[in-house]
Amino acid sequence: NAGVTQTPKFRVLKTGQSMTLLCAQDMNHEYMYWYRQDPGMGLRLIHYSVGEGTTAKGEVPDGYNVSRLKKQNFLLGLESAAPSQTSVYFCASRHWTSDVKNIQYFGAGTRLSVL
Amino acid sequence: GEDVEQSLFLSVREGDSSVINCTYTDSSSTYLYWYKQEPGAGLQLLTYIFSNMDMKQDQRLTVLLNKKDKHLSLRIADTQTGDSAIYFCAESPNSGYALNFGKGTSLLVTP
Repeated sequence: NAGVTQTPKFRVLKTGQSMTLLCAQDMNHEYMYWYRQDPGMGLRLIHYSVGEGTTAKGEVPDGYNVSRLKKQNFLLGLESAAPSQTSVYFCASRHWTSDVKNIQYFGAGTRLSVL
Repeated sequence: GEDVEQSLFLSVREGDSSVINCTYTDSSSTYLYWYKQEPGAGLQLLTYIFSNMDMKQDQRLTVLLNKKDKHLSLRIADTQTGDSAIYFCAESPNSGYALNFGKGTSLLVTP
């Protein structure tokens, strides 16, 4: 049971470089999320998607772009990485149902350092 | 948005009970959650409680909810070293699709 898979697990970038983080889920979930986790800050929502072809901004969207071309994948892009984007990035997904439990399932995270 | 508040650190001895407290912000939250994050891993749902309940028990875990004070607590009985982790409280406001997380409480269990 794969659940939510994030690639890569680790990455080191130089300032100004670009990269894409991939999130894949095999649970046929409609909703997907990207969070960043920083010491003392908890989890902050970057972008989210409520279905294939749709995306929306979260709390801290600046410097990031996302795409949801396929239901199972949610990509997070950094066009020009900055040291402030050094963080641990988590992807999550959940079903839409009439039950409002909103239980999210998380990937193992991507640890990104920008030098 | 407003913050979900948690104490940042708790240390207990193995075999004791641990109590992690949380104050949430949105009275419309239908469900409240506790997630656990072990070192180097993602978050895993530990338990949740529906807002019309006062208490939920699940083996060693007891969740207490005081809706009037918007206070949530997680009690772990007979705490083990394997319970050492970061515990996140989260609310699910009716106004949005996402969860609001607290900053997490680091629980250290010493032998």
